Amino acid sequence: EAGVVQSPRYKIIEKKQPVAFWCNPISGHNTLYWYLQNLGQGPELLIRYENEEAVDDSQLPKDRFSAERLKGVDSTLKIQPAELGDSAVYLCASSPGLAGRETQYFGPGTRLLVL
Amino acid sequence: AQKVTQAQTEISVVEKEDVTLDCVYETRDTTYYLFWYKQPPSGELVFLIRRNSFDEQNEISGRYSWNFQKSTSSFNFTITASQVVDSAVYFCALSEAQAAGNKLTFGGGTRVLVKP
Repeated sequence: EAGVVQSPRYKIIEKKQPVAFWCNPISGHNTLYWYLQNLGQGPELLIRYENEEAVDDSQLPKDRFSAERLKGVDSTLKIQPAELGDSAVYLCASSPGLAGRETQYFGPGTRLLVL
Repeated sequence: AQKVTQAQTEISVVEKEDVTLDCVYETRDTTYYLFWYKQPPSGELVFLIRRNSFDEQNEISGRYSWNFQKSTSSFNFTITASQVVDSAVYFCALSEAQAAGNKLTFGGGTRVLVKP
């Protein structure tokens, strides 16, 4: 069974430029998550989707970050404009459902460097 | 509010030594789930184990074992006879059954370096 797929794996941009990350969850997983992982820290949740609905985006900096999950499958996370402090790893995860017992499975992440 | 603490930031061992990673959690919920993930240099978080709060039985999987103690709010992880391939960052995480939407809270991680 294929795991969570993310692209690109690496991205280098200049500050104030836009950037987008793409995620394809495990087939059949209704719930999708985007996490931010700063160097030397654990992942922190940005947003989570149940199908195409964002059920929690309270941690998403909405002035510059946006996300969508059209048709309840693939998802895109966008930053516009990017700032130096956005340099981090952006992880996507999926789970069969929203219940606390559900295991989240992670993709390889996109490593972003903003110059 | 839920919280996970991994006090050890880095552990260095020589191959074949045992290594134990500590994890202490805080939660007000009576039903919760604990997880361990491994993050190798490639970056992907690899799921290792899930344990629910009602199951205090320790678990062993190959060279990995987990010790869950509700009395001390700890969920420690031991690698027996460590190998170089065990070098990675290991994260402990917690989710509460009552919290909406499977919110997973991670500890800060423990970097394990296994030297040949």
